[in-house]
Amino acid sequence: AQSVAQPEDQVNVAEGNPLTVKCTYSVSGNPYLFWYVQYPNRGLQFLLKYITGDNLVKGSYGFEAEFNKSQTSFHLKKPSALVSDSALYFCAVRDLNTGFQKLVFGTGTRLLVSP
Amino acid sequence: EAGVAQSPRYKIIEKRQSVAFWCNPISGHATLYWYQQILGQGPKLLIQFQNNGVVDDSQLPKDRFSAERLKGVDSTLKIQPAKLEDSAVYLCASRHISRGIEQYFGPGTRLTVT
Repeated sequence: AQSVAQPEDQVNVAEGNPLTVKCTYSVSGNPYLFWYVQYPNRGLQFLLKYITGDNLVKGSYGFEAEFNKSQTSFHLKKPSALVSDSALYFCAVRDLNTGFQKLVFGTGTRLLVSP
Repeated sequence: EAGVAQSPRYKIIEKRQSVAFWCNPISGHATLYWYQQILGQGPKLLIQFQNNGVVDDSQLPKDRFSAERLKGVDSTLKIQPAKLEDSAVYLCASRHISRGIEQYFGPGTRLTVT
């Protein structure tokens, strides 16, 4: 079964510092990977995706993610964190078993950016 | 374009009562999903529609949950009777068949069962 793991429940970073939110995946075949962000009392917002091609994927709000096949990782990064980036971040993988674009989500990582 | 709309935003019911949630996807999105997000967990897919047909309901507790999308646009998710463990946020998402594989989510309905 396809799955993703987010090993950190929470990440703390000071504003202006670089941030990394970790995600590892377990899939059969080539992975389709996603990052979503969830602000309080709001639905999930799409940030970026990896399907194929360049291992460094750029997304919304200055975020990027690096696909690493050898380490089966897809870590989310941003060079300089903002207080407004504080939110819940979810990594997801497309489940290939059903063939109907089903997503399997990780448990989420809470990012707290301090002023 | 308008996003995915959901109502109500919040609902509090007692166990054994019934409840219904409504979702209006982005215009032109043929694929619609209902997810359950329990506090501290990632969203879990309950059911997926392609137009008005169900393509995946393998994780839907069919003894108490039902969903429909009669005209291939709006959808309703119903719980009857509700249990305490159904307390969660119910998220609706939609996707355009030929414009990428990312899903777009609504704000969710927070259900509390007491």
